[in-house]
Amino acid sequence: DAKTTQPNSMESNEEEPVHLPCNHSTISGTDYIHWYRQLPSQGPEYVIHGLTSNVNNRMASLAIAEDRKSSTLILHRATLRDAAVYYCIHTRTGNQFYFGTGTSLTVIP
Amino acid sequence: GAGVSQSPSNKVTEKGKDVELRCDPISGHTALYWYRQRLGQGLEFLIYFQGNSAPDKSGLPSDRFSAERTGESVSTLTIQRTQQEDSAVYLCASSLASGTSSNEQFFGPGTRLTVL
Repeated sequence: DAKTTQPNSMESNEEEPVHLPCNHSTISGTDYIHWYRQLPSQGPEYVIHGLTSNVNNRMASLAIAEDRKSSTLILHRATLRDAAVYYCIHTRTGNQFYFGTGTSLTVIP
Repeated sequence: GAGVSQSPSNKVTEKGKDVELRCDPISGHTALYWYRQRLGQGLEFLIYFQGNSAPDKSGLPSDRFSAERTGESVSTLTIQRTQQEDSAVYLCASSLASGTSSNEQFFGPGTRLTVL
């Protein structure tokens, strides 16, 4: 399986930036790095993905290390709605996603 | 537009009974995935369908689990002789044709299965 390692939990104050780290040392050259999040009692939802270059979208930014063995999801201003479990994933074969246990983000008002 | 839908939303069954879970993917999505999520855990990949290709069943935990998909539409996950350890939320996702590993997966709300 394509294994990723993330901290179990993190906290952030509302309106402050959050940096969620992920290690993916087994990543191969053609694997994309995906981030999904799962709000309570919902299915996961897409946040962002990238291959080599840093990526920005309306939800977040993704910073990918030069060796691609780690990445960081950046939420620029955390809101209460951002409280969720964040999963870092990279694919190994086909399009299957192997989820770890993710990082549970708590946003403090 | 319509997202991925799953039914039933909740299913309670007795140990030893068979259950069928249904997934309706987004129209036009040729790839369909099933995952299992036990309480407090991450998602476990179960099976993957891509168009008319043979499905990737590498994640199915036992021969009690099977899944079918008719063309590029509905899929059914069947669990035979359910056990208490099968209790979990079963999530379905769909995506556009996977030529690379970059395609976004769209998840349904899941079916919560409880085996008594």
